[in-house]
Amino acid sequence: NSKVIQTPRYLVKGQGQKAKMRCIPEKGHPVVFWYQQNKNNEFKFLINFQNQEVLQQIDMTEKRFSAECPSNSPCSLEIQSSEAGDSALYLCASSQHWGGAEQFFGPGTRLTVL
Amino acid sequence: QEKVQQSPESLIVPEGAMSSLNCTFSNSASQSIWWYQQHPGKGPEALISIFSNGNKKEGRLTVYLNRASLHVSLHIRDSQPSDSAVYLCAVSNTNTGKLTFGDGTVLTVKP
Repeated sequence: NSKVIQTPRYLVKGQGQKAKMRCIPEKGHPVVFWYQQNKNNEFKFLINFQNQEVLQQIDMTEKRFSAECPSNSPCSLEIQSSEAGDSALYLCASSQHWGGAEQFFGPGTRLTVL
Repeated sequence: QEKVQQSPESLIVPEGAMSSLNCTFSNSASQSIWWYQQHPGKGPEALISIFSNGNKKEGRLTVYLNRASLHVSLHIRDSQPSDSAVYLCAVSNTNTGKLTFGDGTVLTVKP
């Protein structure tokens, strides 16, 4: 069973507001991924880290989304100005390495933008 | 960009039957294929992965990979009501590790 912790489980924001969610990866996992899962089960990769360094991120992430994985602190994903289309389940996953290893997912943060 | 498609969208089987799920992907380059299970309100959980052509068996699960036809299938023997969930096929990028998921198959096992 996964030990990835995500908080909060539910987040409700108005349009234009900031939305911030956190993730504690499994102990000993240096690689962290963020994915967005919409109501149609479509997954979108957002960003991944190895330790504190960004490995890859999509263009959407570069504009309104910011993420970090500081040393000895939870990882975080923040949406600067929420839009209705950002309503989704945000999943954090961690892994022992980035090259095809199993990813362990947290329960997700359900964001609703009114 | 990798594309992953799953079929059927939904599947209903009686308890004890075999459940068969399919997945096609767009890139034949060497990369791992994963099957994840997701129950409502939870994150996906890895069930089984395969890298080489052929089949792999773990417990009630068997997965078949044919890279030439860009096809992978998952078969669940003796399906149980607790197997009812969304099953996600995912292709792992060997350079970045990111997973590209299909849209899932909703499996319902009727008691």
